[in-house]
Amino acid sequence: AQSVAQPEDQVNVAEGNPLTVKCTYSVSGNPYLFWYVQYPNRGLQFLLKYITGDNLVKGSYGFEAEFNKSQTSFHLKKPSALVSDSALYFCAVRPILISSGSARQLTFGSGTQLTVLP
Amino acid sequence: DAGITQSPRHKVTETGTPVTLRCHQTENHRYMYWYRQDPGHGLRLIHYSYGVKDTDKGEVSDGYSVSRSKTEDFLLTLESATSSQTSVYFCAISDLQKNTEAFFGQGTRLTVV
Repeated sequence: AQSVAQPEDQVNVAEGNPLTVKCTYSVSGNPYLFWYVQYPNRGLQFLLKYITGDNLVKGSYGFEAEFNKSQTSFHLKKPSALVSDSALYFCAVRPILISSGSARQLTFGSGTQLTVLP
Repeated sequence: DAGITQSPRHKVTETGTPVTLRCHQTENHRYMYWYRQDPGHGLRLIHYSYGVKDTDKGEVSDGYSVSRSKTEDFLLTLESATSSQTSVYFCAISDLQKNTEAFFGQGTRLTVV
């Protein structure tokens, strides 16, 4: 079965500083990886995804993520944080090959609350 | 925004009563999912569907059933609601063959008293 770990429940960073939100995964075969953001009382919004190709993926709002196969990680990064980036961030994974059962499932981590301090 | 609508958006119900939540999409995506979101647990998959009348269980399926009689609608039923099912429920859609990301509805806040 696949799984996602977001080891930090809370990340605090000062505005203007770089931010990193960590994600590691476990999946059978090669993965598709996703980052989502959730603002209060809203649904999840897609930020970026890794399918194949370059290990550095660029997404919405200046976010990027680095895929590291050997470390099974997909950390979310931004060079300069904004107060408006404060939100709940989720990492998700599913296998590339869609066969049956868990391969069809999109599995999420427990989420990381990012707070950017002015 | 992707065409995905959840109804109702809010509901309060009594313990022991059946409850049905509806997810409606206009994107013709094959895959539909029901998740629940609880503090400290993130999003946990309840059930999902990979086609009309094709459904499968997720991580936390006990006490829930689903039905998908047409592509655009995916219903989640709490057969006899319990206080532990108080949660925020999200529907998501995806077209895995096209490698798209999942799109989420706005959520349904369910309170079981």
